[in-house]
Parts: sequence; structure tokens; C-alpha cells
Amino acid sequence: GAGVSQSPRYKVAKRGQDVALRCDPISGHVSLFWYQQALGQGPEFLTYFQNEAQLDKSGLPSDRFFAERPEGSVSTLKIQRTQQEDSAVYLCASSNNEQYFGPGTRLTVT
Amino acid sequence: AQKITQTQPGMFVQEKEAVTLDCTYDTSDQSYGLFWYKQPSSGEMIFLIYQGSYDEQNATEGRYSLNFQKARKSANLVISASQLGDSAMYFCAMRDRLGSWGKLIFGQGTELSVKP
Repeated sequence: GAGVSQSPRYKVAKRGQDVALRCDPISGHVSLFWYQQALGQGPEFLTYFQNEAQLDKSGLPSDRFFAERPEGSVSTLKIQRTQQEDSAVYLCASSNNEQYFGPGTRLTVT
Repeated sequence: AQKITQTQPGMFVQEKEAVTLDCTYDTSDQSYGLFWYKQPSSGEMIFLIYQGSYDEQNATEGRYSLNFQKARKSANLVISASQLGDSAMYFCAMRDRLGSWGKLIFGQGTELSVKP
């Protein structure tokens, strides 16, 4: 497709489970970003890739969060041992100048 | 540190009227970019308009225009001729560089409701 896609769109996890969220960026976009959006808030930066290189991971809230983009295209955000405070919408964006966002994955940890 | 402030949690506007959504920013950088995004209830962030810090003209995209006042550090979004489909959350964001590799810093958002 022409836009950024994310899967799954919705994920319910029991506390302590591991989850993996996928992002397919716009073809040819070098830059890829992950953001976390809590309910009623603006998105907050998590991590950034340029091709396969993770150049900035300063926004990852804990070492339970891990992201990769091994071939410089698809990216996966993994959260280990999920906690209730991880419940949020996780947005992926790819960029040439403007950042184009995917529809997000809404994660609910019960 | 960079910061975006949107002081209007909610706004109402009559259909076909114009509305201004406020955004102020704080940065010590000389090179930066300013963005507005629309987020309808479906959740997707839709890019609306961009203004670079060195752009002398205010950005315009169809019914959207950005009122950029650099000395005041404000970047207000003006929507002309509001439509019912404009009802959504609107986020102002800043990137601390002009290139494509800068993270975005978002404000808290303004919820716009367009009345028929």
C-alpha cells in the first residue's frame, strides 16, 4: 500500500506477557520513528531508525522495550513482561521530510 | 529543552466559519520545523502543514494556513471555512532540526468540534 501500516491494530495482553508490534513504512523512506500515545495526551517519542541503524533510543521507558529494523524496512517494537502502564497507542511513522503516521496499535494490558 | 504548548483543550466553531488553534513553542535552536497534525477518532495522525524556521512566507495548504510569528515563538493553525469533517484532535509539533531525522515533540492537543 501507499501508506504506513501497523499490525495488529488492537492487542490485549495479560500483565507479564511479551508483545510484538509491527510497522511497515512507506517504501523508500529511510527514517522510521516509534511513538507512544497515552490516552488524552500527545504522542511521545520512543526511538528512531535510519535504515537499519537505531540512532536514538532515548525515549524507551525501560529495558523491557526493544525495537529493531534488521533490513532497513519493516520494524518491530517488542515489549517484554508487559505492565499496566504500558497500555497506550503505539504509533509508527516514516519520513522523508514530513512524518507520515500509521494507524497505530492500541495495546491494553489487563 | 524543546517544548510545545497548546493552551486550548477544546474549541467549538460554527460550520463554514474560520477558527484559529493556538500553539507556542520553546527552543534555543535556530533551525527547526513546525508541524500540525489532525487525529480523528479513528486514531491515525494526518499531516496537515509544515513551516521551517527559515521560511519567510507563512505556509498554506488548501484551507489550512500556519500563522508563524517567530519573535513570539507561535505557530497558530488557521482553518478556513470549517467543515463537519474537521472535528478532531489537532496536535502542534516541533522538530529540532530541518532534516528528516529529527524526532517530533508534540503538544497536548486541542479538540475541535464543528457545529452544524
